[in-house]
Amino acid sequence: NAGVTQTPKFQVLKTGQSMTLQCAQDMNHEYMSWYRQDPGMGLRLIHYSVGAGITDQGEVPNGYNVSRSTTEDFPLRLLSAAPSQTSVYFCASRLDRATNEKLFFGSGTQLSVL
Amino acid sequence: RKEVEQDPGPFNVPEGATVAFNCTYSNSASQSFFWYRQDCRKEPKLLMSVYSSGNEDGRFTAQLNRASQYISLLIRDSKLSDSATYLCVALSFTSTGRRALTFGSGTRLQVQP
Repeated sequence: NAGVTQTPKFQVLKTGQSMTLQCAQDMNHEYMSWYRQDPGMGLRLIHYSVGAGITDQGEVPNGYNVSRSTTEDFPLRLLSAAPSQTSVYFCASRLDRATNEKLFFGSGTQLSVL
Repeated sequence: RKEVEQDPGPFNVPEGATVAFNCTYSNSASQSFFWYRQDCRKEPKLLMSVYSSGNEDGRFTAQLNRASQYISLLIRDSKLSDSATYLCVALSFTSTGRRALTFGSGTRLQVQP
């Protein structure tokens, strides 16, 4: 199993540009999520999904869109990039069981918005 | 006040030392807690879960004190490979019943030869 695969690893955007961060997992996990990590702050949840066709907002959803057309894929779209979205982004997945909270993270995307 | 607070460190300790980190949480309804390890420029990985009073796994011991609302992580016989940032995570439930994980900003450990 490859686990959680996230691309790209690095990206530089200009203000106003749009882009999609890709995330795929091959563990048949129902739950998938996107976090951002900023210096001095904990990981913050952007959006999450508990299954194909189901998405919901997390703590900091503004400026981001997601979709979940398949169990495997959960792309994150930046609609119009802003410097405040400069961050490290992690995709994470887990089995959606009441007793399971073990998250598997992708390797991260370092995004800079100029 | 942050929901989950950690001393950012860095904690610089020699090999073989015992080191302990504390993590405090403000939501008394938090039900479970976790320690994740994050190496520099890498993704977080689950180290330990803490569901009741504590948990031990080899050189690592996690303890939970609900009365004082803190979790601790003790590392005995530190190895160079233990150098990393340790993230404290609290699980609670929102008013709509959704599970919510709150991450601390992490404590950095540097084990020196």
